[in-house]
Amino acid sequence: GDSVTQMEGPVTLSEEAFLTINCTYTATGYPSLFWYVQYPGEGLQLLLKATKADDKGSNKGFEATYRKETTSFHLEKGSVQVSDSAVYFCALSDRRASKIIFGSGTRLSIRP
Amino acid sequence: DTAVSQTPKYLVTQMGNDKSIKCEQNLGHDTMYWYKQDSKKFLKIMFSYNNKELIINETVPNRFSPKSPDKAHLNLHINSLELGDSAVYFCASSPEVGQGIYTEAFFGQGTRLTVV
Repeated sequence: GDSVTQMEGPVTLSEEAFLTINCTYTATGYPSLFWYVQYPGEGLQLLLKATKADDKGSNKGFEATYRKETTSFHLEKGSVQVSDSAVYFCALSDRRASKIIFGSGTRLSIRP
Repeated sequence: DTAVSQTPKYLVTQMGNDKSIKCEQNLGHDTMYWYKQDSKKFLKIMFSYNNKELIINETVPNRFSPKSPDKAHLNLHINSLELGDSAVYFCASSPEVGQGIYTEAFFGQGTRLTVV
């Protein structure tokens, strides 16, 4: 079945550092891809999405590009802030099975 | 207005009890889900409903019984609670954009269930 693999955390960076969180997927067909963020004690919020190959999703300085050739959707940000500390989930929509499948999450901590 | 709301936010109960978690969405979406998040933050789908009909039951024990009285509500009832049921349960909804294609899911704030 479809699956998502993302880099294990925790990831600890200093403020203003460059961030990359790797995500690769396995899917039949053409899934939509998502990054969700979960702040402490809260639910999941959609951070960005891409619905077809070569699409770039972006929001709040974060970006990810849907790469069909490498089946990847890596999350990047040029300069992280303390407020970006959260757990980040890569996900895909499995259209045949009518569900969204999540990676295991990556905890990000930013030091002032 | 909260798009996906679930109650209660916290639930502490003893082993063997029966409890329910309610979920409502005011987004007009066709599909609703229940997800379980364990202590390591891993998210696993439990159920998916489309227009009040069960689509997915991901090998969840039959002590868990979802009920969808209408398209906007999906409640989760749990019988004979066990210690291992302690987790955060998230309700979510998503629109169908056509021909079985779904876009992103919108999540509630979660219900932290603690079984003692």
